[in-house]
Amino acid sequence: GQQVMQIPQYQHVQEGEDFTTYCNSSTTLSNIQWYKQRPGGHPVFLIQLVKSGEVKKQKRLTFQFGEAKKNSSLHITATQTTDVGTYFCAGENFGNEKLTFGTGTRLTIIP
Amino acid sequence: DVKVTQSSRYLVKRTGEKVFLECVQDMDHENMFWYRQDPGLGLRLIYFSYDVKMKEKGDIPEGYSVSREKKERFSLILESASTNQTSMYLCASSLGGALSGNTIYFGEGSWLTVV
Repeated sequence: GQQVMQIPQYQHVQEGEDFTTYCNSSTTLSNIQWYKQRPGGHPVFLIQLVKSGEVKKQKRLTFQFGEAKKNSSLHITATQTTDVGTYFCAGENFGNEKLTFGTGTRLTIIP
Repeated sequence: DVKVTQSSRYLVKRTGEKVFLECVQDMDHENMFWYRQDPGLGLRLIYFSYDVKMKEKGDIPEGYSVSREKKERFSLILESASTNQTSMYLCASSLGGALSGNTIYFGEGSWLTVV
């Protein structure tokens, strides 16, 4: 079955440093979504990427979808304490409406 | 705002007990999902449903069943709880398939401990 891996599993950064998490799928995806889960909370939708090579930005967050539609990344510029949480990617295959979530990257910020 | 409500936030059950986790969404969404979340494993899909009385197995359905008698309600059932089912369970819903651009909305989660 489809597998979606994320690296790294954990990342500790100094406040103000940049952060990147990578997502890789074993199969070609029709689209990929990103979610953020704050400590003690539930995952909340951030963005969806559909097109090959697509890049989207939300303030300090930059999301990319690979040309082959099998990988994606989330980059945060100049992290802030509000960025703390676990970031999940979730990919969907063509013709299959269920999302497969990645293993997540847990980000902690050192003030 | 979309609201997905899980009836129990914290439960402690004994091995062998039958456990019901209830989930209700208030936005007339077609799709509903049950995931479990475990450290290092991310979110794994247990079951999902596209419509009333319809269900599909996810990636880890063993030991679970579901019921969707009404559109707004999706129940997860552990027929005979075991300690390896100790986990956080997340219910979610979406308007239609993700292909149509609709996102998944999660409930607050239910922490189940089986002793």
